Amino acid sequence: AQSVSQHNHHVILSEAASLELGCNYSYGGTVNLFWYVQYPGQHLQLLLKYFSGDPLVKGIKGFEAEFIKSKFSFNLRKPSVQWSDTAEYFCAVGMRFGAGTRLTVKP
Amino acid sequence: KAGVTQTPRYLIKTRGQQVTLSCSPISGHRSVSWYQQTPGQGLQFLFEYFSETQRNKGNFPGRFSGRQFSNSRSEMNVSTLELGDSALYLCASSLADRGNGYTFGSGTRLTVV
Repeated sequence: AQSVSQHNHHVILSEAASLELGCNYSYGGTVNLFWYVQYPGQHLQLLLKYFSGDPLVKGIKGFEAEFIKSKFSFNLRKPSVQWSDTAEYFCAVGMRFGAGTRLTVKP
Repeated sequence: KAGVTQTPRYLIKTRGQQVTLSCSPISGHRSVSWYQQTPGQGLQFLFEYFSETQRNKGNFPGRFSGRQFSNSRSEMNVSTLELGDSALYLCASSLADRGNGYTFGSGTRLTVV
């Protein structure tokens, strides 16, 4: 069965620290990969997506993700986080979502 | 353009009752998916409808059902409610090929007492 695993349940960082959130999936076919973000009190929003081509994709607000096919991974990164990045982040493969990673950025 | 609209925003029901939730997708979006969101479980996929047909289904019991109308609006029904059904139910819509990802509504918060 298809599954999406997010390694970290809760990540706490200080402002300006670098961020990497892990996402692994189990599905061998062609995949559409997504990261969504849910800010406190708001609905889910699409952060970035990958279908094909350059495995390094850039999204909104300085986020990027790298698709590594051999590792079945699609990790989310940001070089320098801000307090406003505090939110819950969800990795998705097609319609299947991971459990989410809560990011807390301390000012 | 208007986003995905879900009604009602909040519901309180008693165990054993049934409930119907509604979702109006973005104009032009023909795919509607439903998710159950609970703390620690993330988003659990319920089902997807496209052109009034269920195109995909998650691992939920038959008490959970849905349908889609010709105008792409969708409803989700849960019968014989259990306490564990308390959750935020999210609706998401997308274009036919889903390739651009989903646009989510704000959800319906269901509390079963």
